[in-house]
Amino acid sequence: DAGVIQSPRHEVTEMGQEVTLRCKPISGHDYLFWYRQTMMRGLELLIYFNNNVPIDDSGMPEDRFSAKMPNASFSTLKIQPSEPRDSAVYFCASSHGQGTGELFFGEGSRLTVL
Amino acid sequence: KQEVTQIPAALSVPEGENLVLNCSFTDSAIYNLQWFRQDPGKGLTSLLLIQSSQREQTSGRLNASLDKSSGRSTLYIAASQPGDSATYLCAVKIFYNQGGKLIFGQGTELSVKP
Repeated sequence: DAGVIQSPRHEVTEMGQEVTLRCKPISGHDYLFWYRQTMMRGLELLIYFNNNVPIDDSGMPEDRFSAKMPNASFSTLKIQPSEPRDSAVYFCASSHGQGTGELFFGEGSRLTVL
Repeated sequence: KQEVTQIPAALSVPEGENLVLNCSFTDSAIYNLQWFRQDPGKGLTSLLLIQSSQREQTSGRLNASLDKSSGRSTLYIAASQPGDSATYLCAVKIFYNQGGKLIFGQGTELSVKP
């Protein structure tokens, strides 16, 4: 398997623009997670899905952030409008079975908002 | 509230040394504990996963132990090599909202000098 695939790897945009990050989980994994990593706050869970259904979005910072999972092989994280404080590395991860399943991460999308 | 702490924050050792990285957590009600490695600008690579019923896991030169009662885990790296230089993160999976949630420590940045 190719692992968790994220795109784009790097994104530089201006404040106010819409940003869409994409993720393809490992085939057969039924849980998908979006994390954000910054120097100040470390790794933070934003939202996770089970069988394409959002289970917990309490980590989404505000209404400017939204995530979708239209099918088992694709998810998006959208920020609209973007702000400089959204600059971070956004990771997607997937696992099979939430309880004891091992978590596998993508390479991340580094977002810079000017 | 579960908190995960990693000590030290940074460690520099000469090549060939055996070393121990520490991880502590405040609540013993966990599904499992996972150790990750993160290289600069890269995603997280899973190293070892210890289920709550297990005491240790080994993979090559790596050995991870888990003591739930004391809220501690250690990652032992034998005969360290320059290629081991990276940030090592531990994460505990806690019972949360129809499943589990991974809580990360801030990581230990390891540098192995040739």
